[in-house]
Amino acid sequence: QSALTQPASVSGSPGQSITISCTGTSSDVGGYTYVSWYQQHPGKAPKLMIYDVTNRPSGVSSRFSGSKSGNTASLTISGLQAEDEADYYCSSYTTTSTLVFGGGTELTVL
Amino acid sequence: QVQLVQSGAEVKKPGASVKVSCKASEYTFTDYYMHWVRQAPGQGLEWMGWINPNSGDTKSSQNFQGRVTMTRDTSISTAYMELSSLKSDDTAVYYCARGPPKTRKIAVAGHPIDPWGQGTLVTVSS
Repeated sequence: QSALTQPASVSGSPGQSITISCTGTSSDVGGYTYVSWYQQHPGKAPKLMIYDVTNRPSGVSSRFSGSKSGNTASLTISGLQAEDEADYYCSSYTTTSTLVFGGGTELTVL
Repeated sequence: QVQLVQSGAEVKKPGASVKVSCKASEYTFTDYYMHWVRQAPGQGLEWMGWINPNSGDTKSSQNFQGRVTMTRDTSISTAYMELSSLKSDDTAVYYCARGPPKTRKIAVAGHPIDPWGQGTLVTVSS
């Protein structure tokens, strides 16, 4: 199972919105609504930010939102804040009952 | 709150095995699946597999070709991941992370993973 495709890096200024894409195939992202997004600060464990494409866990800011179209899922962060600077990973369930992650995207807040 | 505390860093030689532990607290250990995920230095996340602590059933990634063994000791609420025939590119931080409730029967790996342990660095070097 190949990793899902994410841009290596994105950047934005405080207050702006950014979107991170996550492209897979009909065997993973396109075939299921089981897409999650994780935030990881340097030296820390990942933190769940979005699950089942669009759902936010309790405690996660409403500035984070998720969507999906075809084989591509997206994470949008609105009103960028300095604390959002981190690595972001998408994940998807697959037809082989396994989980595949994206390669990760480094978000820089300018 | 739910906590997963992992064992300390390990240094192993190529060809050896390593066993990482993950102790769960503040919830009923046998009520939730446990995942194992690793991250090589400067690299992304890689899913290794899950274990159902209630039944002992496991599911692992084909990428590990039978080198990974996931077990648990319910008496001490601890999950274990053993990786054998270590190679230098197995150098990574290994995480345990809680999965879905044991009642979930479909798409276990599709359920959100939360929370995660603090990670265990395994270094493979001659």
